[in-house]
Amino acid sequence: DSGVTQTPKHLITATGQRVTLRCSPRSGDLSVYWYQQSLDQGLQFLIHYYNGEERAKGNILERFSAQQFPDLHSELNLSSLELGDSALYFCASSPYNSPLHFGNGTRLTVT
Amino acid sequence: GQNIDQPTEMTATEGAIVQINCTYQTSGFNGLFWYQQHAGEAPTFLSYNVLDGLEEKGRFSSFLSRSKGYSYLLLKELQMKDSASYLCAVTDSNYQLIWGAGTKLIIKP
Repeated sequence: DSGVTQTPKHLITATGQRVTLRCSPRSGDLSVYWYQQSLDQGLQFLIHYYNGEERAKGNILERFSAQQFPDLHSELNLSSLELGDSALYFCASSPYNSPLHFGNGTRLTVT
Repeated sequence: GQNIDQPTEMTATEGAIVQINCTYQTSGFNGLFWYQQHAGEAPTFLSYNVLDGLEEKGRFSSFLSRSKGYSYLLLKELQMKDSASYLCAVTDSNYQLIWGAGTKLIIKP
C-alpha cells in the first residue's frame, strides 16, 4: 500500500459528460502529480501541485483542470469527455525531489 | 528538447540476467529513478541514482553515468513475476520528472 488513495477506482460515463477524480496524498507529502495512461502507452504527465500551488503543467487539455486544496488532497476535473479520454488516471505524491508514490489509479471509460 | 530513450520490448529467460538501458538528454540532472509497472497497476519505485556508480538492491541493481547520460537496470535470477514494464525517469534542473516510454520485459520459462 503506497499510502496514496484515489477514488473512484472505476468510472464509466458518456461522451460530453464531466467527472471529478479525487486523490489523497501520503501523510506529509506536499507534492501531488496527475498522470494519464492510455492502453499500452507510457505515462503522460498532466499537472503537478506543490502545497496548493501549481508547479508544472504537461500536456493537459483545456477541458481538464485540477486543484490542490488546503488539506493537500487534489481533484482532477475532466469535462466534455471524448472517447479518447478513456484511460487510467494516476495520482502520485512525494516529498520534494523524492521517489513518487502512486495511487492505484482511476480507470475511466467513456462510452 | 528533453528526451529519454529505452528499448520498447525485451525478452529474457527465467533464471537469467537482463539489462535494460536508458539514455537521457535533459535540461540539467537531479536524479534518475527506475519504476516497475505491471499491466493495469500503479508504478512502484525500484531505485534512485544521483551519483555515478552502481546501486544494488537484492536482485535488482541500477547504474548511472552522468557524463554519458546513461543508466541501466540489471535484473538477476529472473522470475516470472518480473514480467512487467520498467520505466526510467529523470529529474531535470527544475526538479520536474521526465519519463521514458518504458520497456516491456517478457520472461519466458
